[in-house]
Amino acid sequence: GAVVSQHPSRVICKSGTSVKIECRSLDFQATTMFWYRQFPKQSLMLMATSNEGSKATYEQGVEKDKFLINHASLTLSTLTVTSAHPEDSSFYICSARAQLSARAPYGYTFGSGTRLTVV
Amino acid sequence: QKEVEQDPGPLSVPEGAIVSLNCTYSNSAFQYFMWYRQYSRKGPELLMYTYSSGNKEDGRFTAQVDKSSKYISLFIRDSQPSDSATYLCAMSAGYGNNRLAFGKGNQVVVIP
Repeated sequence: GAVVSQHPSRVICKSGTSVKIECRSLDFQATTMFWYRQFPKQSLMLMATSNEGSKATYEQGVEKDKFLINHASLTLSTLTVTSAHPEDSSFYICSARAQLSARAPYGYTFGSGTRLTVV
Repeated sequence: QKEVEQDPGPLSVPEGAIVSLNCTYSNSAFQYFMWYRQYSRKGPELLMYTYSSGNKEDGRFTAQVDKSSKYISLFIRDSQPSDSATYLCAMSAGYGNNRLAFGKGNQVVVIP
């Protein structure tokens, strides 16, 4: 089935530094990728939608200059948290939507998540 | 009113019991309905997928969708300790609309 690999699984960084999270579709081409944020015992909050080769669409309230998204190829999207602060500590999850095919009929496959801790 | 409502209250059941979960929604454009299972500190994994109204069964899992009532359910029969996880409902309007709307999730604990 469709597999999405997310890396790293956890990262600890100092306040003020930047962190890059990668999301790769391993066996399908992802025309659209989504980035979510999840706080403990809360649901997934969509941060942004990225389409290959074009700018990401950010949800209301999400700072595009702080959360940089690049979807340069059909298999890779990256989220960079710039000038991270402790309040950015959270669980970040990516999701990829495949082109409609028999291999990925449902479209939405999630990565395993990245736990970011900013100290 | 939120697009998707899911009572986030934790649910504890004894092993072998039936687990019943549900979500309501307000957007009548939703056509695709999903249930995801999420283990602690992991990404969600697709459990059940239903298009439009109807029932779908897969092993011990049954998903029901009633579009007239804007109500979806997930039933887990013969629950096992390994079913202990958070269950999230999700829905979308279709492939022309990429966005998934999620419920808050139910934490389910199956007690041996």
